[in-house]
This record gives sequence, C-alpha cells and structure tokens, in this order.
Amino acid sequence: DAGVIQSPRHEVTEMGQEVTLRCKPISGHNSLFWYRQTMMRGLELLIYFNNNVPIDDSGMPEDRFSAKMPNASFSTLKIQPSEPRDSAVYFCASSLSLAPGDEQFFGPGTRLTVL
Amino acid sequence: GNSVTQMEGPVTLSEEAFLTINCTYTATGYPSLFWYVQYPGEGLQLLLKATKADDKGSNKGFEATYRKETTSFHLEKGSVQVSDSAVYFCALRSGANSKLTFGKGITLSVRP
Repeated sequence: DAGVIQSPRHEVTEMGQEVTLRCKPISGHNSLFWYRQTMMRGLELLIYFNNNVPIDDSGMPEDRFSAKMPNASFSTLKIQPSEPRDSAVYFCASSLSLAPGDEQFFGPGTRLTVL
Repeated sequence: GNSVTQMEGPVTLSEEAFLTINCTYTATGYPSLFWYVQYPGEGLQLLLKATKADDKGSNKGFEATYRKETTSFHLEKGSVQVSDSAVYFCALRSGANSKLTFGKGITLSVRP
C-alpha cells in the first residue's frame, strides 16, 4: 500500500497567491482529515470528511481556507489569498471510518512557505 | 469536551535510560487512546493504542496502559535508543463522528 499521498511536498509562494494542496487517501478509507502544524500552535485539525462529506470545518481559520473532496480518492485544501502566517506544515490523514478505535494514517505533509 | 494533557518537554536522556512520558485526559464517554510518534521531517505514525480500560498497547519496546481510574495513558520504555529521538503525541477519540484530540506533543532527544 502506498499510504497517504500528498503533493506538493514543498511549496514556496508569495503573499496574495492562491495555493492548492492535494491529498490522496489510502484506498478503502472513508474518512479524511486535514491538519496544520506550527511551532506556535502545535497540531490543529482544520476539517474532516466522511464518505466525501464535510463533517466538521470548525477548525478552518478563515474564509480564505476551503477544502473539497470530490471523490473518495482525492481531496484539496485551498488558500486564497495566502498570507505569511499561513506558513506551516499541512498534513492529510485518512482512516477506515470515524469509529473511535480506527487508526489515522498520516501523509508526509506539505511544507508551505508564504513570503 | 475532550482534552489531552502531556507533560512539559523537551526530554533529554542517555541511551539505555528508562523513559516515562505522562499523559492524562478528560473525555465524554469511553475514549480510545493513542500514542503517535513523529520523526524529524515526517508525518505522524501510530505507535500504539488501547481501546478499553486496562488494555495495554505495546510496540517497538514501548508500552502504555489505559487507566480509567486515573484517566491516564503514560508511555514507557525500558531502554531508549538514539533512534527513538522524535516528538511523541498522546491522543484520544471518543464517540461517533469523533475526531482525534491531540496533546501538545513532547520532544525526546536520546544521547549516545
């Protein structure tokens, strides 16, 4: 199994530009999670989906952030316009379901730098 | 609501030392408990888990026991190695449609 795949691994952009992060969950997993990690705030859950439907987006910081899951094998997290304070590592994770005992498998992350 | 409290770090140990990382939680219902590890430059990986009281999770020499009476899930290893240097996160999940609630994480550095 290839695991959770994220692209790009690194992204450097300028303030005001649109950024799109991509995630392919593990095949057969029905739940997908987007996290952000910074030194200041630690690991934050942004949004999660179950069966392609957003369940909780209360962690999305602002309207500049949006996420979609058009099918079971693909999700995007978009930031428009980007700001320097968005610089962080963004992780995607997937699990079989939302059952409490189900393990979440994390991707390698996308390191975003906004200049 | 759910919350996880981890001991303050960082922690620096010599190789072969005994490790304990404390974790306590508050949760509604009956949570499942997890320890995740993050090696430098990588995503988080599940280290071990326990889904009910008195269960012991174990992996790679690490152990943690789900203690409902003290609401704790402390991580232990009898003899750490340099390769154990990483950030360790305690987490829980509880209830339907539940999300993982993470502690702040603690950095472990093991000296040769």
